[in-house]
Amino acid sequence: GNSVTQMEGPVTLSEEAFLTINCTYTATGYPSLFWYVQYPGEGLQLLLKATKADDKGSNKGFEATYRKETTSFHLEKGSVQVSDSAVYFCALSVLSGGSQGNLIFGKGTKLSVKP
Amino acid sequence: NAGVMQNPRHLVRRRGQEARLRCSPMKGHSHVYWYRQLPEEGLKFMVYLQKENIIDESGMPKERFSAEFPKEGPSILRIQQVVRGDSAAYFCASSLGRSYSGNTIYFGEGSWLTVV
Repeated sequence: GNSVTQMEGPVTLSEEAFLTINCTYTATGYPSLFWYVQYPGEGLQLLLKATKADDKGSNKGFEATYRKETTSFHLEKGSVQVSDSAVYFCALSVLSGGSQGNLIFGKGTKLSVKP
Repeated sequence: NAGVMQNPRHLVRRRGQEARLRCSPMKGHSHVYWYRQLPEEGLKFMVYLQKENIIDESGMPKERFSAEFPKEGPSILRIQQVVRGDSAAYFCASSLGRSYSGNTIYFGEGSWLTVV
């Protein structure tokens, strides 16, 4: 089947620290990969995406590279800010393995950034 | 261009009542998805609809839950005879095309259902 595994939280960092949130996937087929962010009390916003191997998605200083050989899509940011505090979700979309193309999410990683 | 609009944002129902959640997709989007988020958990897929058709309902509970996306009007997620375990945030999302081909899925701000 299709699934996403991401590192458990919460993750607590000081401002300007380096961030990595690990994400690996299992997919029957060739998925598109996404990172979404959810701020408290709000819906999900797309942060970045990649649709083929070796693609790098980037937005607002965040980056993630689609690694087919390691089935990974780790999220990184060089210098986090307090405003980055949120829950981050890794997700995939694929047309196979019982999935019709809806997003399949990891459990989310809560990030807290302290000043 | 307005985003995905959900209403109501907050809904309180007594056990046994019906809950009806509405979702208007982004303009031009014909693909609609419903997800449920339980407290401190991730998002679970419920149903995927395209105008007047259910594409995938593999995540929908077999009883009490139904969804529709009529030719005209919003998509509706209906929960009959609600129980306390239905208390959750329900998110609607929409896309222009299938997301596996790279189309972005946009989310609404959610409807928070509380069953008392």
